[in-house]
Amino acid sequence: GENVEQHPSTLSVQEGDSAVIKCTYSDSASNYFPWYKQELGKRPQLIIDIRSNVGEKKDQRIAVTLNKTAKHFSLHITETQPEDSAVYFCAATPNNAGNMLTFGGGTRLMVKP
Amino acid sequence: DGGITQSPKYLFRKEGQNVTLSCEQNLNHDAMYWYRQDPGQGLRLIYYSQIVNDFQKGDIAEGYSVSREKKESFPLTVTSAQKNPTAFYLCASSINMNTEAFFGQGTRLTVV
Repeated sequence: GENVEQHPSTLSVQEGDSAVIKCTYSDSASNYFPWYKQELGKRPQLIIDIRSNVGEKKDQRIAVTLNKTAKHFSLHITETQPEDSAVYFCAATPNNAGNMLTFGGGTRLMVKP
Repeated sequence: DGGITQSPKYLFRKEGQNVTLSCEQNLNHDAMYWYRQDPGQGLRLIYYSQIVNDFQKGDIAEGYSVSREKKESFPLTVTSAQKNPTAFYLCASSINMNTEAFFGQGTRLTVV
């Protein structure tokens, strides 16, 4: 099955700086890679996703890059704000019947004002 | 915040009692999932269902049971066999297994 590793587990940045979270996956058949943001005590919510037919996707201050050869993908947040503080989860899923999202262990991002 | 609803938000039970957590979705999604989240930890898959009347064990199914009699509903029973049931339980659904999962608001279960 798929195995997703996420680093770092905690990340502290100054407001306005950039934050980068990296994930690696094991199954080369994986083709869908979402990122979820979970604020304290709340449900995870999708913030951006990418499919394997593209290498990069951007949505305002958030971008995701995918390197299929190396089997890793990254979340980039620019101009961080205190409200970006949360736990971020990456996930991967192969396009095979019976396979599902496999989550990374999460990154706790703290943005200091 | 409609779409997928978990109830109740907080649940307290005595040790040794079974308890059932509700999850309902009106998104017409085929796939539904149950995850457990412990403090400071990631999401661990308990059970999942690809389609009504079918479900499969996830990574930590011991001490849990589910049913999928209706497309909209995927209740999770935490049995007395679960050794450490106190946790935050998240239900999710997706159109199929290869698309974005939408999460419910979660149920925080405390067993005393």
